[in-house]
Amino acid sequence: AQSVTQLGSHVSVSEGALVLLRCNYSSSVPPYLFWYVQYPNQGLQLLLKYTSAATLVKGINGFEAEFKKSETSFHLTKPSAHMSDAAEYFCAVSRSQAGTALIFGKGTTLSVSS
Amino acid sequence: EAGVAQSPRYKIIEKRQSVAFWCNPISGHATLYWYQQILGQGPKLLIQFQNNGVVDDSQLPKDRFSAERLKGVDSTLKIQPAKLEDSAVYLCASRRLRGRNTGELFFGEGSRLTVL
Repeated sequence: AQSVTQLGSHVSVSEGALVLLRCNYSSSVPPYLFWYVQYPNQGLQLLLKYTSAATLVKGINGFEAEFKKSETSFHLTKPSAHMSDAAEYFCAVSRSQAGTALIFGKGTTLSVSS
Repeated sequence: EAGVAQSPRYKIIEKRQSVAFWCNPISGHATLYWYQQILGQGPKLLIQFQNNGVVDDSQLPKDRFSAERLKGVDSTLKIQPAKLEDSAVYLCASRRLRGRNTGELFFGEGSRLTVL
C-alpha cells in the first residue's frame, strides 16, 4: 500500500525566509510524487511532480522539491517566502503517472508573516 | 480551456436528507475522480471513473453514497441519507488519459456540504 506522511500540520515563516515543507512516502513500487497547493475556498492546483526523471524538480511560483530514495522523502522548498504563498500544501503519491488515483497526505498549512 | 466545473458550491441540509453534486470535467479527460475532504484532512478518494466505467470504488460508503457517469462525460455524486460525518468538501477532478501531462489531476473548486 502507498501512503505519504507530511511532518508538521502548520509551518510559519517570515516573508523572505526559506520555506521547507516535509513529505515522506511509503511505496512498494517506484512512486510518482506530487505537491499540490490549495488556497482558501478553491480546488487544488499542481505545484510540481516527480515522475522518475530528474530527482530535483522545479515547479511553479519558485517552488522545487528533491526526490531522495534513500530517505523516502520529497520535501518542498522555496528560497524566499512571499505573502502570497500562504496556503495549504498537500503531498501525494501514485503508483503510475496516468490512471491510478493520487493518495494525499493530511496537508501542511503555511503561514507567512511580514 | 475551461476548468472542472462543480455545483452547487455550498449546500446545507439536515441529517437523513439527500443531496446531489454535479461535476463536468475538462473536455476530453477520460478519467474522473470524486474526493472527500474533511476539514483539516487531505482529500480521500471516493470513486474513480474511466469513461463511463468504475475503476475504483473501494472507499465509497455504498450504503449511502452513489455516483454515476452515464455518458462518460459529466458525473453526479449522491448521498442518501446524509449523516453528520458527511460534512466535508466534495472535490471532483479529471485527468487526461493519453498525451501530454497525463499525470496531472485538475480539480474543481469543490462543493461544501454541511449536515446539521
